[in-house]
Amino acid sequence: NAGVMQNPRHLVRRRGQEARLRCSPMKGHSHVYWYRQLPEEGLKFMVYLQKENIIDESGMPKERFSAEFPKEGPSILRIQQVVRGDSAAYFCASSPLGTATGNTIYFGEGSWLTVV
Amino acid sequence: KQEVTQIPAALSVPEGENLVLNCSFTDSAIYNLQWFRQDPGKGLTSLLLIQSSQREQTSGRLNASLDKSSGRSTLYIAASQPGDSATYLCALKTGANNLFFGTGTRLTVIP
Repeated sequence: NAGVMQNPRHLVRRRGQEARLRCSPMKGHSHVYWYRQLPEEGLKFMVYLQKENIIDESGMPKERFSAEFPKEGPSILRIQQVVRGDSAAYFCASSPLGTATGNTIYFGEGSWLTVV
Repeated sequence: KQEVTQIPAALSVPEGENLVLNCSFTDSAIYNLQWFRQDPGKGLTSLLLIQSSQREQTSGRLNASLDKSSGRSTLYIAASQPGDSATYLCALKTGANNLFFGTGTRLTVIP
């Protein structure tokens, strides 16, 4: 039973380019979360999605960032026109039910974005 | 707004020593608290989950406690080993759909 799979693990983008990060949740999990970890900072919540729905995007920057979790395929975190401050580790997590029920949340290995 | 603090930020201990990591939080209205381990360049591994109605959880050499009234949790590691070296994060689940993370304690166990 594979865990949460993220790709690419490492991504380098020039300023102004687009970054797409993909996340396949654990089998049987329909809830996906994205977190960002800036250097020397803790993880910060970005967005919570269920299949085809964004449930909570209160942690997403208002511009350039978007996320989706289509009916088929992985969840995608998209960053347009990247800037140096977007350099961070982006973690995806999944759970079988919403974490309000107390389920453990499982994290992927992360995608490290470097903007040059 | 929930704030989560972990002190110390870094800790070095000799192998075999017992140790305690601390996590404090400002809002006691939580669903649960979870301790994670993060190795350099890796993702997070869940160690222990304590529901808000529980006082502690144990797994092997690890014991986590929760005191909501004082806004504190501790992670106790017995007989530490070099393989325990990692960053330990506590995270709180509140009524929102996310986890509030502390900035972690970087543990080094010296052989």
